[in-house]
Amino acid sequence: AQKITQTQPGMFVQEKEAVTLDCTYDTSDQSYGLFWYKQPSSGEMIFLIYQGSYDEQNATEGRYSLNFQKARKSANLVISASQLGDSAMYFCASDDSYGQNFVFGPGTRLSVLP
Amino acid sequence: GAGVSQSPRYKVAKRGQDVALRCDPISGHVSLFWYQQALGQGPEFLTYFQNEAQLDKSGLPSDRFFAERPEGSVSTLKIQRTQQEDSAVYLCASSLARGQDTQYFGPGTRLTVL
Repeated sequence: AQKITQTQPGMFVQEKEAVTLDCTYDTSDQSYGLFWYKQPSSGEMIFLIYQGSYDEQNATEGRYSLNFQKARKSANLVISASQLGDSAMYFCASDDSYGQNFVFGPGTRLSVLP
Repeated sequence: GAGVSQSPRYKVAKRGQDVALRCDPISGHVSLFWYQQALGQGPEFLTYFQNEAQLDKSGLPSDRFFAERPEGSVSTLKIQRTQQEDSAVYLCASSLARGQDTQYFGPGTRLTVL
């Protein structure tokens, strides 16, 4: 079974600085996907970024980039130039090659300070 | 374009009552997922549909939980004889196809069982 670990329950970052949110995963699948979602206090889950296990380049989406280190089973999210609106819960998740067994980590609460 | 919608957004039930939660996925999305999110935790998988077929219901916590998607679009999650431990946010997500495809989430239904 897949497992996602997020070791940082809470993080603080100064506005305009970069921050890295950690995620490690445990899977026996050869093919899998890795995802990051943002959940503001309003509750909706907002998709941020996706990395496929066979993608050789790290995924980037605007201010978000995924630092994918396959050998270490690590998929950290990097947010550049933090904004106050980035304050939210961030969840790392993975699925298997069938798009099933979608598993979320426990989340990291990010607080951006003015 | 319309995203995933869920209704009701909030539901208060007395213990023992039956509830029905509705999910309207993004039009054309084949896959539909239900998750349960307890306060302060990440979402936990409940069940998965591909079109009208329920391919995985391994996450349903008990036989009081039942989900259907009879025409391959709208889905209903039914909880019979609700108990206090059922209080949570129930999230619905849809994806275009199976297999490492991004899931798009609805706003959730917050269920409170008194």
